[in-house]
Amino acid sequence: QKEVEQDPGPLSVPEGAIVSLNCTYSNSAFQYFMWYRQYSRKGPELLMYTYSSGNKEDGRFTAQVDKSSKYISLFIRDSQPSDSATYLCAMSVLQGAQKLVFGQGTRLTINP
Amino acid sequence: NAGVTQTPKFQVLKTGQSMTLQCAQDMNHNSMYWYRQDPGMGLRLIYYSASEGTTDKGEVPNGYNVSRLNKREFSLRLESAAPSQTSVYFCASQGQLAHEQYFGPGTRLTVT
Repeated sequence: QKEVEQDPGPLSVPEGAIVSLNCTYSNSAFQYFMWYRQYSRKGPELLMYTYSSGNKEDGRFTAQVDKSSKYISLFIRDSQPSDSATYLCAMSVLQGAQKLVFGQGTRLTINP
Repeated sequence: NAGVTQTPKFQVLKTGQSMTLQCAQDMNHNSMYWYRQDPGMGLRLIYYSASEGTTDKGEVPNGYNVSRLNKREFSLRLESAAPSQTSVYFCASQGQLAHEQYFGPGTRLTVT
C-alpha cells in the first residue's frame, strides 16, 4: 500500500464548476501538507501549504486537512480553463528541507 | 535569477549507455533532490542532498549515482541505462527552514 493515495483521474469539468481533489495517507506522523500544480511539460509549483489540521484559503483555492481521517482536500471555486493541470498532493513529517512523499497526481481539465 | 536549471532537456540512450543529468540552482539553497516521474506513479525520490557534501538514498536509488559538486550543483548519473529508466527526471532545491521545493523544468529520458 502506498503511503499517499491519490486518484489519478482524469477529471473533466465545465468552466465555473467547483472542483474537489483528494488524497488519503497512512502515516499519522505527517504534519505538513502541500498541493503542487504541474502544467503539461513543466515542473511542479507549490500552490498551497497547510500545517496540521484545518482549512486554508487563498483566492479561489481552499486546502483542507482532516488528520483524524488521514484525508486532505483541495477545492477550486469558479474553475477556469487556466486551472487545467495535474495536481499533486505532498506530505512531510518535519518542516524545512527534507523528503516529501507525493501522491500520484490528478489530471484536471476545465472545459470552456 | 534562473531558479533551478536542468540539462539536457531531452535525451535518447541505448541500453547500456551512460549519461549524467546536470542540475544547478542559484537560490543559495542547502538541500537538493532528484525525482523521477512516471505515469500513474507521481514523483518518486531517487536521491537527495541535505547539504553540500552529503547525499542519501531516496525511494528508488537503484541504477543511479549522484554527486553534490558544490552548493549550487547536484548531478545524477546513470552508469548503464536500462529501458526501465525511461522517465521524466526533475531536480528540486529547498531552503533550510522553507516548506517549498522549487523544481526545474525536467529532463525527458528515453532508453531504447
